[in-house]
Amino acid sequence: QVQLVQSGAEVKKPGSSVKVSCKASGGTISSYAISWVRQAPGQGLEWMGGIIPMFGTKKYAQKFQGRVTITADESTSTAYMDLSSLRFEDTAVYYCARGLERFAYWGQGTLVTVSS
Amino acid sequence: DIQMTQSPSSLSASVGDRVTITCQASQDIGNYLNWYQQKPGKAPKLLIYDASILETGVPSRFSGSGSGTDFTFTINSLQPQDIATYFCQQYDHLPRTFGPGTKVNIK
Repeated sequence: QVQLVQSGAEVKKPGSSVKVSCKASGGTISSYAISWVRQAPGQGLEWMGGIIPMFGTKKYAQKFQGRVTITADESTSTAYMDLSSLRFEDTAVYYCARGLERFAYWGQGTLVTVSS
Repeated sequence: DIQMTQSPSSLSASVGDRVTITCQASQDIGNYLNWYQQKPGKAPKLLIYDASILETGVPSRFSGSGSGTDFTFTINSLQPQDIATYFCQQYDHLPRTFGPGTKVNIK
């Protein structure tokens, strides 16, 4: 049974960066893609990008290009999402999810609050 | 980017009712469409993929249809545990995009 466990909530100042982790169990992260999806309070779902660790392939939504970096450490089966130059409007729950097309397994979500 | 729209944005129905949600894509996406259910404070749950295929373990009262730009999601007999927000999502093009969601309540 695939499980994705994310790191805990973060409070960050505007202009800083945040790095959220997503550890996979029940399978090696090398064998599938990981996407990152965020959801601002009371809002819809927004795909940020994804990675296929086996091939080192990364895809990013144009909206986040230059601010987001997605990486994966196959030795620890952990994926990471690094978002820089944080703005108030980046306050959201950030989810990792398995896949690049359909998302059948999700992490529990990590709340990132951007506050001065 | 492919824009996804959903209607209605919210609905109220009685237990046992048939509920229908529509999703429209801004361009032809074939059958590359998924449906998710999200309950408050929880991650989304995949219900239907490839427009009409039920994910393993999902009750058969849920169904999906459509292709091209117009899609439909149906709950055949609404149950109290179906109270949630439902999202469509396309994967024909990058970036993957979601509909704005339909909130389903019990009347």
